[in-house]
Amino acid sequence: QITLKESGPTLVKPTQTLTLTCTFSGFSFSTGGVGVGWIRQPPGKALEWLALIYWDDDKRYSPSLKSRLTITKDTSKNQVVLTMTNMDPVDTATYYCAHRGARISFDYWGQGALVTVSS
Amino acid sequence: QTVVTQEPSLTVSPGGTVTLTCASSTGAVTTAYYPNWFQQKPGQAPRALIYTTNNKHSWTPARFSGSLLGGKAALTLSGVQPEDEADYYCLLYYGGAQWGVFGGGTKLTVL
Repeated sequence: QITLKESGPTLVKPTQTLTLTCTFSGFSFSTGGVGVGWIRQPPGKALEWLALIYWDDDKRYSPSLKSRLTITKDTSKNQVVLTMTNMDPVDTATYYCAHRGARISFDYWGQGALVTVSS
Repeated sequence: QTVVTQEPSLTVSPGGTVTLTCASSTGAVTTAYYPNWFQQKPGQAPRALIYTTNNKHSWTPARFSGSLLGGKAALTLSGVQPEDEADYYCLLYYGGAQWGVFGGGTKLTVL
């Protein structure tokens, strides 16, 4: 059974750096083809693809946010960490992590973590 | 900047059929965009329905199907149920499945 859960601050100030952790179970980065991605959704708005890291440490970023994002993994802890620099109120959103298997699909999702950017 | 466009809203009667589409600003959508479809109900995380154009997950009801239609990715619901009322998002991949872009979503009302 694959599960994922996001954790991190619920409130950050403008210009600060956001660090979110995705802790998962039911799969491992030891398995070829596996990836974990981050997706966000501002309140009442559409989903936005952010970043993805693969089992072999290959990393992909949304071109529009690439300069602000870093994705890393800790295989021993079954965790993926996303950092986003220079946070702005427009970055207020629910941030989701999701499992991507060989099917090129985000098939399992975390429950999401709401992050508010405000002074 | 790449933009993926969906119908903002659609309405369908129970038992009816509706098709949602997903277009890319870069041109015709093909299987190389690995179209994915997700359903999201209020207060819930998205749920995957379709991957790589027309493949269903084990939990995807049979009434949902994916295809390519007129240069767009399409999601067809046949025999719509009241519980299908939700937001639907498509996801297209670019750069050889290296990064993705979600569409703006379609709010489906069953009325």
